[in-house]
Amino acid sequence: GEEVAQTPKHLVRGEGQKAKLYCAPIKGHSYVFWYQQVLKNEFKFLISFQNENVFDETGMPKERFSAKCLPNSPCSLEIQATKLEDSAVYFCASSPTGRELFFGSGTQLSVL
Amino acid sequence: SQQGEEDPQALSIQEGENATMNCSYKTSINNLQWYRQNSGRGLVHLILIRSNEREKHSGRLRVTLDTSKKSSSLLITASRAADTASYFCATVPYGGATNKLIFGTGTLLAVQP
Repeated sequence: GEEVAQTPKHLVRGEGQKAKLYCAPIKGHSYVFWYQQVLKNEFKFLISFQNENVFDETGMPKERFSAKCLPNSPCSLEIQATKLEDSAVYFCASSPTGRELFFGSGTQLSVL
Repeated sequence: SQQGEEDPQALSIQEGENATMNCSYKTSINNLQWYRQNSGRGLVHLILIRSNEREKHSGRLRVTLDTSKKSSSLLITASRAADTASYFCATVPYGGATNKLIFGTGTLLAVQP
């Protein structure tokens, strides 16, 4: 597609439940990034992929967060045992070069 | 921690006026980018300036980069109500095996019609 598609738009989970977010990058883009936006101003880098390989995962809280980008499937970000502090908007972005990023509209995760 | 800090945090101007936003960062960079975020939406890439460039133009946008001061500015000329949004600078750290963008804290621009 011509834009990054993220689903769902909104996700509500009780504390301790699992959350799974999906991202379909723009066709032909080799790079995928996940960012977490808390409080409408701070963007925290989580992880990046080059094709299906992890490129940089230095931002991932590894105990509960995992992510995949498998061939012929949307990329996914999964949070096991969600906590209140995981409430945020999660943005996926793709890029043909790894430089300029094209962002999706985000998934608003609310943990109650 | 955030690489960039933006100044001012919020800016309100009248349509037709120019808007200037500043960004400071901490470490050496490969490039610096500016993005816009409309309320409730994802970021839109505006412009990229490389570390060996000093100024770049795109339409009504003008970006400057001063690597000696580790700072950049974004100028929007002849602003329109549709320019109302948050503007973020983002940097790619120099060297290392990473391509991650590190975002500043953003400037909220309100353009009054």
